[in-house]
Amino acid sequence: AQSVTQPDIHITVSEGASLELRCNYSYGATPYLFWYVQSPGQGLQLLLKYFSGDTLVQGIKGFEAEFKRSQSSFNLRKPSVHWSDAAEYFCAVGEGDTDKLIFGTGTRLQVFP
Amino acid sequence: DAMVIQNPRYQVTQFGKPVTLSCSQTLNHNVMYWYQQKSSQAPKLLFHYYDKDFNNEADTPDNFQSRRPNTSFCFLDIRSPGLGDAAMYLCATSRYGTATGELFFGEGSRLTVL
Repeated sequence: AQSVTQPDIHITVSEGASLELRCNYSYGATPYLFWYVQSPGQGLQLLLKYFSGDTLVQGIKGFEAEFKRSQSSFNLRKPSVHWSDAAEYFCAVGEGDTDKLIFGTGTRLQVFP
Repeated sequence: DAMVIQNPRYQVTQFGKPVTLSCSQTLNHNVMYWYQQKSSQAPKLLFHYYDKDFNNEADTPDNFQSRRPNTSFCFLDIRSPGLGDAAMYLCATSRYGTATGELFFGEGSRLTVL
């Protein structure tokens, strides 16, 4: 069965520091991969997505992610974190044949000034 | 402008008292989803509609029902809420499903069961 693993439950960084959030997936076919962000009490907003092509994808708010098929990973990065980036981040894999989106358990990001 | 609108944002109900949550969309998307998200957990898919075709997840309790009377609206009915049903309920839409695009989420309806 397809699954998504986010090994880090909680990450704390200082404002201005670089960030990498890890995501590993298990999916038999070519995955459709997504990163979503959720601020407290809010819905989810898409940061970026990978369907095919260039394995380094750019998203909103200065985020990028790199798809590595050999490692079954899709890690999210940002070179310099802002205090407003504090939120919950979810990695997800889309099942093309069933139209469903399967989420990882999320990583909570805390940013210190 | 909000494209996926959920009402109410906050709902308090009593144990066993039915509740209905609504979702409307202005995107004219074919697919509508209902997710349940408990505190500090990942969103869990309850069911989704592709147009009028209803797709129920195998582990969705019978206590949860859904209706989609037209393209724009979708409802989540909880027939007899228990304490374990307290959660954030997220509605999302997609034009053709995850194979071709992203999901657009509403801001959620937080359900409290007393």
